[in-house]
Formats: sequence, structure tokens, C-alpha cells
Amino acid sequence: DGGITQSPKYLFRKEGQNVTLSCEQNLNHDAMYWYRQDPGQGLRLIYYSQIVNDFQKGDIAEGYSVSREKKESFPLTVTSAQKNPTAFYLCASSEDGDQPQHFGDGTRLSIL
Amino acid sequence: SQQGEEDPQALSIQEGENATMNCSYKTSINNLQWYRQNSGRGLVHLILIRSNEREKHSGRLRVTLDTSKKSSSLLITASRAADTASYFCATRRGGGGKLIFGQGTELSVKP
Repeated sequence: DGGITQSPKYLFRKEGQNVTLSCEQNLNHDAMYWYRQDPGQGLRLIYYSQIVNDFQKGDIAEGYSVSREKKESFPLTVTSAQKNPTAFYLCASSEDGDQPQHFGDGTRLSIL
Repeated sequence: SQQGEEDPQALSIQEGENATMNCSYKTSINNLQWYRQNSGRGLVHLILIRSNEREKHSGRLRVTLDTSKKSSSLLITASRAADTASYFCATRRGGGGKLIFGQGTELSVKP
């Protein structure tokens, strides 16, 4: 079955620590996206990538970094510069920018 | 920045009733999409309507789009308890696949 896998499901970060959230897809999609969702809110775009080795900042990129070295993988690093990282992080992919997005089941990040 | 705004923020109905959710947006769009999110899960795509379309159906779902009013509505007919979820509209403006999501409508269907 094709899909998007996010891991871990729950993650805890200590002060001053960088953490990396994994996102893998086997849908052969070119485009991938990272969103942040706060309680009772919609999704806000952090970073997106339309093709391998290329990515662009979204609306709230500060304190985050990404890489896109492989088509199937788009990891997100939450750096220590992100002062309010507690949120639900969702990864998505699509065939191209005009198609609907397929989502993983999210990673919930909390502060220790 | 949030482009879409859903109305109402929360909706509670009985099983068998219809549920209508509305979405308004601010700038011109290429398409508008509706997604569903069960608690603690990722979003699932429901339906996409392009800017040159006025209405689309998918099973018990009916979506309308009025570009002159910059608004869309999602109708779920004969609702079931399993329809309980949050529903989001998302608009796509230009290239790059960037979607702008609204804040969602939380639907509760009571058996």
C-alpha cells in the first residue's frame, strides 16, 4: 500500500536541542510539504519542496530546516531557535503542485 | 497567513441530518479543496473544485463554489456518526502547490 509515513508519533525536546522529524513517502510524488498545526487551528506551511534537491520557505520557516536529498524523503529539523515548538507536525505529498495532497498521521512534539 | 475562514467553527447535529459548512477566502484562486481530519490524525482529501467549476458531487458530499462572492460550501447529506471530524477548506492560488488552509469546522454527529 502506498502512503506517507511520519515518525516518531510522539517526540519530546529538551531546551537547546535540535530534533528531526522523519517523513517518507512511497507514492512517487515529486512535491512534499511540512505543516504545523496548533490546537484548534488550521495548518500553516513551514517548508515545501517541488522536486529533489530543491525547497522553499513557507509562511513560518524561522527556526526550522529541511533537506530533500531523495525523492521519497523530506525530513524536518526543529532547531533550538524555534522558541515555541510544541505543536502537531504534518507532512504531505502530491504528484505536482496542482494535485490534492496526501498526508501522514503526524508527529506531536512537546517540550520537556 | 490564513486565506480561508470556515463558518461555523463548530456544528452539532443528529445522525441523518444534513451538515453545511461554509468557507470564504480573500484573493483569486486556481482551485479550492476540502479536507477532513479525524482527531489526532492526518488530513484526508475529500474533493477539489476548480475556479471554473460551480458544483461538484462525490457520494454524500456536494461542494459549491461562487468565485464572485469568494466563497464555497460543503454539504454532507444524511450524516452519520462516523462523519464526526474537523473539516478544512484550502485554496491554491498560484504555482508551487502552496495551499492556504482555513481554521476548520468541527462537526459532531450524534447517534
